[in-house]
Amino acid sequence: GEDVEQSLFLSVREGDSSVINCTYTDSSSTYLYWYKQEPGAGLQLLTYIFSNMDMKQDQRLTVLLNKKDKHLSLRIADTQTGDSAIYFCAESTSGTYKYIFGTGTRLKVLA
Amino acid sequence: EAQVTQNPRYLITVTGKKLTVTCSQNMNHEYMSWYRQDPGLGLRQIYYSMNVEVTDKGDVPEGYKVSRKEKRNFPLILESPSPNQTSLYFCASSSTRQGIAKGYTFGSGTRLTVV
Repeated sequence: GEDVEQSLFLSVREGDSSVINCTYTDSSSTYLYWYKQEPGAGLQLLTYIFSNMDMKQDQRLTVLLNKKDKHLSLRIADTQTGDSAIYFCAESTSGTYKYIFGTGTRLKVLA
Repeated sequence: EAQVTQNPRYLITVTGKKLTVTCSQNMNHEYMSWYRQDPGLGLRQIYYSMNVEVTDKGDVPEGYKVSRKEKRNFPLILESPSPNQTSLYFCASSSTRQGIAKGYTFGSGTRLTVV
């Protein structure tokens, strides 16, 4: 079945860039998403990208999609301590109503 | 304020005692879904609903029931809870387009412990 994989942990220094990676298996994915989960809270949608796009930028966030390799990444520029959270990628496919999440990457930002 | 409201936030119960976790959204979203979050496993979908009176199983539906009698409400029912259902539960809703659930709005979560 479809699968979405992420590395479990990432640690960066404040002010550096963070890059969180995700791979997925469903080649018919239509939308790919990034969510942020802060401690004790639900997930918050950060951004999403259509599968026919290569890149999307939104302030400090840059999403890159390599459809050939089924690889999605989220780059956070000038990472701050407030960016410490768990980041989930997710994918959905037109016509299926299925929505699959990765296992989440815990980002720790060191002051 | 657009939101998904889950209740309760925390619940400790005993094995076999039926319980219901409520979920309500005020955004007129067609699509609603329940997930459970467990360490190392990410979010796994329990049930989802495409609209009123239309529900379907997700990846881990065993031991759970849902209903969608009104568009805004999507309760999760555990008829006979067991300790392996101890988890963090999230309700989420989304508008839909061409069969795709767009970006979700999540509730704050319900932490359930079954002893």
